[in-house]
Amino acid sequence: SQTIHQWPATLVQPVGSPLSLECTVEGTSNPNLYWYRQAAGRGLQLLFYSIGIDQISSEVPQNLSASRPQDRQFILSSKKLLLSDSGFYLCAWSVSMDTQYFGPGTRLTVL
Amino acid sequence: GQQLNQSPQSMFIQEGEDVSMNCTSSSIFNTWLWYKQDPGEGPVLLIALYKAGELTSNGRLTAQFGITRKDSFLNISASIPSDVGIYFCAVDLGNTGNQFYFGTGTSLTVIP
Repeated sequence: SQTIHQWPATLVQPVGSPLSLECTVEGTSNPNLYWYRQAAGRGLQLLFYSIGIDQISSEVPQNLSASRPQDRQFILSSKKLLLSDSGFYLCAWSVSMDTQYFGPGTRLTVL
Repeated sequence: GQQLNQSPQSMFIQEGEDVSMNCTSSSIFNTWLWYKQDPGEGPVLLIALYKAGELTSNGRLTAQFGITRKDSFLNISASIPSDVGIYFCAVDLGNTGNQFYFGTGTSLTVIP
């Protein structure tokens, strides 16, 4: 069966510091991968999606970037965090046109 | 852009009551999904709907894909405390990358 992992589970970072969040998927090949941000427990905002290695599409202009160095690995990064980057970051995967499955999320607090 | 209107925004109900929430759009979509998110966790898929008019059940949950393909509802029968959470509808945008668009959610509180 397929599983999706995210780490870390929680993170507290100072403004201006770098960020690296990791997502990995097991039990499937060539998945579509997604990064979402959720503020205040509502409204999932799609940040990036990837249909293959090194194929990244950005949905909104922002302070973040994404990379996919391996088929089942998706990384969310920032060189300098802003206060507004705080939120709950969710990674998701899909292999068909009909469903998406989410990871457990990372709670990021920027102080 | 796309807009999914979920209602109600929040619900407070007594344990044992039935729950009904819905999701509407001004556009037609061919796939509707319902997710539940527990506090501090990722959303979990509850029901997927692929055919207009389709009625699908998953235990105490029942969801229907509207015949116009512009709406869907989710019912929960005989609510229990663990039904607490935020319920999201989502639609398949049908574009490259298999992107989904999510509603703003319905927050459900069950009072024991």
